[in-house]
Amino acid sequence: GAVVSQHPSWVICKSGTSVKIECRSLDFQATTMFWYRQFPKQSLMLMATSNEGSKATYEQGVEKDKFLINHASLTLSTLTVTSAHPEDSSFYICSASLSYGYTFGSGTRLTVV
Amino acid sequence: RKEVEQDPGPFNVPEGATVAFNCTYSNSASQSFFWYRQDCRKEPKLLMSVYSSGNEDGRFTAQLNRASQYISLLIRDSKLSDSATYLCVVIPGGGADGLTFGKGTHLIIQP
Repeated sequence: GAVVSQHPSWVICKSGTSVKIECRSLDFQATTMFWYRQFPKQSLMLMATSNEGSKATYEQGVEKDKFLINHASLTLSTLTVTSAHPEDSSFYICSASLSYGYTFGSGTRLTVV
Repeated sequence: RKEVEQDPGPFNVPEGATVAFNCTYSNSASQSFFWYRQDCRKEPKLLMSVYSSGNEDGRFTAQLNRASQYISLLIRDSKLSDSATYLCVVIPGGGADGLTFGKGTHLIIQP
């Protein structure tokens, strides 16, 4: 089946640094990639939708200058958390839409200290 | 009002029992509905789609009631491996939309 490889699985960084999360579609072309985050005991919340070759669409309340999304190719989408702060600590996960449903990356657990 | 609401549980159920839980959604224009399973904050995995006519997959049965805007999941003959968080998921519009997740219902199957 269609696989999305997401890296890193977990990362611990210092406050003020930037972290890049990558999602690669391994055996299909992902025209659209969705980025979610999940805080403890909360639901996954859609952050943004990225389309290959165009600007990402951000959900209300998500700062586009803080969460930089790049979808330069049909197999790679990246999310960069810039100037990370402890409140950005969360579980970030990407998802690609397929003709028969959605496939998810394995998620990235970000801890900002 | 939250878009997708679920009872977070936890539901503690003995092995072999039948358990059911519901989910309500607020957007009457929602197009597609799913149940996902999530283990220990890993990525969600599709359990089954939900159709108006109801659908069954082994021990799992899903129902959709559009008039009342709720979705249900029934698990028969529950196994220890069924312990997980079950996420109710709705696609609010067309196929290009992201998914709207409920918080999930935590199910614990006890031996």
